[in-house]
This record gives sequence, C-alpha cells and structure tokens, in this order.
Amino acid sequence: EIVLTQSPGTLSLSPGERATLSCRASQSVSSSYLAWYQQTPGQAPRLLIYGASTRATGIPDRFSGSGSGTDFTLTISRLEPEDFAVYYCQQYGSSPYTFGQGTKLEIK
Amino acid sequence: EVQLVQSGAEVKKPGESLKISCKGSGYSFTSNWIGWVRQMPGKGLEWMGIIYPGDSDTRYSPSFQGQVTISADKSISTAYLQWSSLKASDTAMYYCARLPGPSGWYPFDYWGQGTLVTVSS
Repeated sequence: EIVLTQSPGTLSLSPGERATLSCRASQSVSSSYLAWYQQTPGQAPRLLIYGASTRATGIPDRFSGSGSGTDFTLTISRLEPEDFAVYYCQQYGSSPYTFGQGTKLEIK
Repeated sequence: EVQLVQSGAEVKKPGESLKISCKGSGYSFTSNWIGWVRQMPGKGLEWMGIIYPGDSDTRYSPSFQGQVTISADKSISTAYLQWSSLKASDTAMYYCARLPGPSGWYPFDYWGQGTLVTVSS
C-alpha cells in the first residue's frame, strides 16, 4: 500500500498570498496518477487536479499541480477567501487508492 | 447532469446491520466504477473500495476487507455499502463517488452528499 504524507499539516496565510502544499509518496506513483481534492466544512470533497497537473472541469487557473515519482505539489497562486479549506492528495495508480492525511489551509 | 444521491442519516446500535445506498443518474452507471470513502469525525478521507456495476468486479482496501460489503444493482443504478454487525468505531460520514471510466485508473470526479452513520448504545 502506498502511503502519502502531506506537509505542512496546517498552513496559515492571508488572502492574496501564494500557497504551496506538498504530498510525498512512500513509493513511486504510477503514471503520475495523483489527484488533489478540496474539502470545505460540511461539504463533500471536490476534485481539483488529476494526473498530477491537469485541472478538473471548472477549476480556476490559480490552482496548479506539479511533480512526478514520489514528490508532488499543489500551488494556489493568489489565495481567495473561498480557498481556505482542507486539501487532500490521492494516488490512484495502485490499489488501494490511498489518500494523504490532509493539509488545512487557514486564514492568518 | 451527473448526480450521486445517497440515502439518509442512520442511527444504529452496536451489533445491528445496516445497508446504505448511492443512486447514480445522468451517466452510464454500468460503465463507471463507484467507490466508497469513510471520514471519521474530524479526520481525513479513507478509501474503502470500489465496484464496477457492469460486472460487479469489486476491490477492497485491506483495511476494510471483511468488515464491509460493497455491492451494486445495475437495474436501478444503485450502489450499496453494507455492515453485518456495526461497531461504535463505524461512526463516520460515508461518501460514494464515481470514477469516470471503465479502467479504474481514475480519481473520483463526482461525489454524493454523504451519509452520516452513528453507532451508539
């Protein structure tokens, strides 16, 4: 089973700043089958990025993903108030399709 | 429009059985995998398993194998998550979600609204 470790656990930033979230895998993720999700309180998760770097339908271009192998990054270029949420990475190249433990992005 | 509509919240006692549902619409139910994700109170997401309704091929996380049963009835476009004997530790929000294709190598692109299961004596 691939273990995903996200860092930091909590990130405190202000609107307008740039956010960089990390996801490290315990072994290489096949074909960059790495996704990022956003979850706001009381809501189901929403798919942001798949294939490590492809934005899902309707996702603003301030969200970008990068990385390969075992190291992946989600970048939010200029934080909007609605971006403060919990973010999860997930690998879907090897069953079970594990999630990271999440990074909480909070308003500073 | 793709929609996944889950059954309502449940309150059960330890040892009771339970089956929750997830009805898909707006897409070919038999040609897309459906999965289940657990979120315990205040915690992160846990991938439980997936099923391909076209042929009922099912894959479980080792953490949930033997603890739950995932099934689907393609005639009514509905997937299920079932417990034979609930424990207090099964208290959680359960989400169903779709994988957008037949191969299984996809993330979850559409999610249900969640079903809250509370197990308490």
